[in-house]
Amino acid sequence: DAKTTQPPSMDCAEGRAANLPCNHSTISGNEYVYWYRQIHSQGPQYIIHGLKNNETNEMASLIITEDRKSSTLILPHATLRDTAVYYCIVRVSGYSTLTFGKGTMLLVSP
Amino acid sequence: DTEVTQTPKHLVMGMTNKKSLKCEQHMGHRAMYWYKQKAKKPPELMFVYSYEKLSINESVPSRFSPECPNSSLLNLHLHALQPEDSALYLCASSQDLTPGGLGDTQYFGPGTRLTVL
Repeated sequence: DAKTTQPPSMDCAEGRAANLPCNHSTISGNEYVYWYRQIHSQGPQYIIHGLKNNETNEMASLIITEDRKSSTLILPHATLRDTAVYYCIVRVSGYSTLTFGKGTMLLVSP
Repeated sequence: DTEVTQTPKHLVMGMTNKKSLKCEQHMGHRAMYWYKQKAKKPPELMFVYSYEKLSINESVPSRFSPECPNSSLLNLHLHALQPEDSALYLCASSQDLTPGGLGDTQYFGPGTRLTVL
């Protein structure tokens, strides 16, 4: 699976959009971008994934650049409960394992 | 319903004890996973079961023994653990391992926090 690079930490004010970047310059054509988050002492939670088109669900939006070398997870109106470690994972769906990197610690403040 | 349950929530055991961790899902998923997460580190995959058969063993020591008695249940049997095995043990499940879509999106349980004395 391709490697990903994320900033170790980010801050966001409550109610504002949180934009979490991820670089995956070695991504190959059949690799998906997945985002999970882990709130302190809980299990990771699936957020969203995509291949090349932008995706949106009730939790977030995923913007993937045209060359697919980077992506951004957008939480449109961050709340205190969005404080968590956010993991960007690039993988081939199927038998490839889910390999977590260090992630980004997002701190949402009042 | 995307719930994966794990019991117990906390477990303290001695190095000579035998204990088991239990994971259950009722989503009809046919793939189940065990992960280990040390403090301030990301989760690391241990085992993958697909259709009740062991598919992946990430070179885990034999003192950890997984078991999948049916499609809804996954156990992790523990014996002769070391203090360094203290960690959060996470279970996850996915529909199966079919590429693309939501087929292999993994849903995690809350974990069992294990302390080995």
